[in-house]
Amino acid sequence: SAVISQKPSRDICQRGTSLTIQCQVDSQVTMMFWYRQQPGQSLTLIATANQGSEATYESGFVIDKFPISRPNLTFSTLTVSNMSPEDSSIYLCSVAGGAGNEKLFFGSGTQLSVL
Amino acid sequence: AQTVTQSQPEMSVQEAETVTLSCTYDTSENNYYLFWYKQPPSRQMILVIRQEAYKQQNATENRFSVNFQKAAKSFSLKISDSQLGDTAMYFCAFCTSGTYKYIFGTGTRLKVLA
Repeated sequence: SAVISQKPSRDICQRGTSLTIQCQVDSQVTMMFWYRQQPGQSLTLIATANQGSEATYESGFVIDKFPISRPNLTFSTLTVSNMSPEDSSIYLCSVAGGAGNEKLFFGSGTQLSVL
Repeated sequence: AQTVTQSQPEMSVQEAETVTLSCTYDTSENNYYLFWYKQPPSRQMILVIRQEAYKQQNATENRFSVNFQKAAKSFSLKISDSQLGDTAMYFCAFCTSGTYKYIFGTGTRLKVLA
């Protein structure tokens, strides 16, 4: 299993600002994923971030709002841009566990509140 | 499109007792995986148990076991000898083989009572 560190753990932000969330993994991984968990809701996949290529976004999520970087095999960032109160959620980074088992390992998440 | 349904928003169980959490799913795929994840107040998503759809035998992990009924598209989680540390949100999830694209249910909040 991978150890995933996510920063910040929580933040309170003003409307219209941007926040960048960092995800650091203790081993090299090919596939990283960003999820959003809105208050009291389930997890929704935002995008898949593979090193060396553009992130692939799910329906309802766009690069201008959620730009993602993946500069190497152990690190990724997700930026939440031009925030509004509707962006208040937990954002979770996850990594694939390896070929053939489809396991996902998760970071501890970033609790974002937008005022 | 795949869907995952958890019909029990909240459940409670006495410590040391057994509880079963329900999950149903819908898919036209034949090769897939099913998971139960636990999310305690720390927010960390922790894998509890995993089932490959092609395996008839139900997965078990210590006190956790599943009842996988492929034809009925049902995947329930049984927690035996419940402990206070089992208090958490439990999510059922589906993933088509080879995709890593998870579909999560809405979760069941489980409270273990002392």
